[in-house]
Amino acid sequence: QISLKESGPTLVKPTQTLTLTCTFSGFSLSTGRVGVGWIRQPPGKALEWLALIHWDGEERYSPSLKNRLTIIKDTSRNQVVLTMTNMDPVDTATYYCAHRAVEKGHWNFDLWGRGILVTVSS
Amino acid sequence: DIQMTQSPSSLSASVGDRVTITCRASQGIGSSLAWFQQKPGEAPRSLIDAASTLQSGVPSRFSGSGFGTEFTLTISSLQPEDFATYYCQQHSAYPLTFGGGTKVEIK
Repeated sequence: QISLKESGPTLVKPTQTLTLTCTFSGFSLSTGRVGVGWIRQPPGKALEWLALIHWDGEERYSPSLKNRLTIIKDTSRNQVVLTMTNMDPVDTATYYCAHRAVEKGHWNFDLWGRGILVTVSS
Repeated sequence: DIQMTQSPSSLSASVGDRVTITCRASQGIGSSLAWFQQKPGEAPRSLIDAASTLQSGVPSRFSGSGFGTEFTLTISSLQPEDFATYYCQQHSAYPLTFGGGTKVEIK
């Protein structure tokens, strides 16, 4: 059974770097055709895709945030880590990680973690 | 970027009603579209992928259709547990993009 859980600080100061960890079970990022993505949601607003990493190491980023984001995978620990630099109050949001799998040629975020609310405030 | 536009942004409906939500892509995406349901305080739940493929465990009252630039999510008979916000998302091209959401409220 696949599960994912986000962890990290719930409060960061402006200009600081945010580091979030997605710890997962039930699948491996060393086998084929899977990935893990990060998506965020400001309070009361829509979902926004941030980044993802696939089993083969392919990384993809939102162009609007690419200069601030880094995603890495630790296959031995079953973790994916997202770092976001230069945090600002507008980055206050719930951050989700999600399992991405492909079926019949279509990739889908089929299972999500519960999310972690990160507040940016001095 | 491919822009995803959902309509309406909100709707009020009664239990038993047939509900249809539309999602339009700013350019053709084939059938590379997913639908998610999100209840307050919860993570999104995958309902439909490839525009019309129901995910495992999703009730058959949910259905999806469309191809290219126009897609619909239909709930054939709205149930109390269906009151939530629904999002579409395209995976045809990077960056992956979501629609603005449709909130389904109780009339």
